[in-house]
Amino acid sequence: GEDVEQSLFLSVREGDSSVINCTYTDSSSTYLYWYKQEPGAGLQLLTYIFSNMDMKQDQRLTVLLNKKDKHLSLRIADTQTGDSAIYFCAEYGAGSYQLTFGKGTKLSVIP
Amino acid sequence: NAGVTQTPKFQVLKTGQSMTLQCAQDMNHEYMSWYRQDPGMGLRLIHYSVGAGITDQGEVPNGYNVSRSTTEDFPLRLLSAAPSQTSVYFCASSYTTGNTEAFFGQGTRLTVV
Repeated sequence: GEDVEQSLFLSVREGDSSVINCTYTDSSSTYLYWYKQEPGAGLQLLTYIFSNMDMKQDQRLTVLLNKKDKHLSLRIADTQTGDSAIYFCAEYGAGSYQLTFGKGTKLSVIP
Repeated sequence: NAGVTQTPKFQVLKTGQSMTLQCAQDMNHEYMSWYRQDPGMGLRLIHYSVGAGITDQGEVPNGYNVSRSTTEDFPLRLLSAAPSQTSVYFCASSYTTGNTEAFFGQGTRLTVV
C-alpha cells in the first residue's frame, strides 16, 4: 500500500534555511506535492515535482527528489516568520485517484 | 472566482444527529473529494467523485454518504453522528487527477458531543 512519512516538528531561526523531509513507499508515484496549511485555513499547493525530475527550484523553494531512496525534501531559503505553518508531502500513485498525504510537519520559525 | 466554498465553518452536533456538509466549486472541476484531518493523522480520504453522477469510497468512508448530482456541488452527509467523527473536514476539487493542483476549501470544524 501507499504510505507517506514525515517528521512532525521542525524549529528554525528566522533567516536560516529549513529542510522538511518526506519518504514515500509507492514506487509508481508520478507526481509528488508539497502543500502548506496555515492556522485555521485549508491547504494551499506550494509546489510539485514530476517523478522524472530530481530537482525543482521556485524562488525560495527547492524540491529535491531521490527516486531510488523514495525521498523527497523541501528546502525553504531565508525562512521568515510567515513561513510558520504545517507542510504536507503528498503523492498520486500511477492510476490512482487518491492523493495520499503525510501527517504533516509543523514548522516553527523563531524570530 | 470563489474557488471551493464549504459551509458551515463550525458545527456542534449531538450523538445520533444527522447533517450535511456543503461543498461547492465554481471552477468546472471534474474531480472532487472529501478529507478529514485529525491531529497526528494527516488527511484521510473519505469519498471522492470523478464527475457528476459518479462517486466512490476512499480510505475512511464508514458513517458518511455522498452524492454528485451536479459538477459544482459535492455534499457530505453524516447519517448518525458519533464522537469519533469529531474532526476538521476539507473538500477539495481539481480539474483531473495527476499533474494538477487540488484546491481546498477552508474546512468545517465539526464537534460531536
